[in-house]
Amino acid sequence: DTGVSQDPRHKITKRGQNVTFRCDPISEHNRLYWYRQTLGQGPEFLTYFQNEAQLEKSRLLSDRFSAERPKGSFSTLEIQRTEQGDSAMYLCASRQGKETQYFGPGTRLLVL
Amino acid sequence: SQQGEEDPQALSIQEGENATMNCSYKTSINNLQWYRQNSGRGLVHLILIRSNEREKHSGRLRVTLDTSKKSSSLLITASRAADTASYFCATDGQGAQKLVFGQGTRLTINP
Repeated sequence: DTGVSQDPRHKITKRGQNVTFRCDPISEHNRLYWYRQTLGQGPEFLTYFQNEAQLEKSRLLSDRFSAERPKGSFSTLEIQRTEQGDSAMYLCASRQGKETQYFGPGTRLLVL
Repeated sequence: SQQGEEDPQALSIQEGENATMNCSYKTSINNLQWYRQNSGRGLVHLILIRSNEREKHSGRLRVTLDTSKKSSSLLITASRAADTASYFCATDGQGAQKLVFGQGTRLTINP
């Protein structure tokens, strides 16, 4: 257990539905990251927050994706109008400054 | 897009043998990190090596970094069945805030 938690761990949804994932970082960490990992690949960066400010977004993050980190604590990642191509593991990580990133257990999404 | 390449993509050895995985990357880095991932689980941080370091040890792990060749290696000595997992290198680039991962090496330790 790294101290980063994610909820839910698994989500099955039908194409076109909206889904929301939550990440609770290690409490003193000011930076929070979202990554996406498809089968057989390494994680790919989606977006990151420093405190409550979203400072960078990947081109992978289409208009259907939105992330928030109100009050600089937990974060949510919402996918609207899900597509089958959104099926993946969504990983959250946190760190303090430029030190090691600690990853949560991930949320595995399956879009039918 | 992924920065690095890992070699080999898959490695199968007998318990007790040493396992060596290599990682190459493309841009200047602040540090390079190695992670382990068991099937369907999150990533576990193994070791971080900074750009001004050449070698680092942690238990049965030994990591080297050659910034002139933009490459790193991870050596696991005296492997155990529990070491079976995928291993990823990730670079933390200068001026960048995100980790860029390779595709990983799938390591299988046969009892």
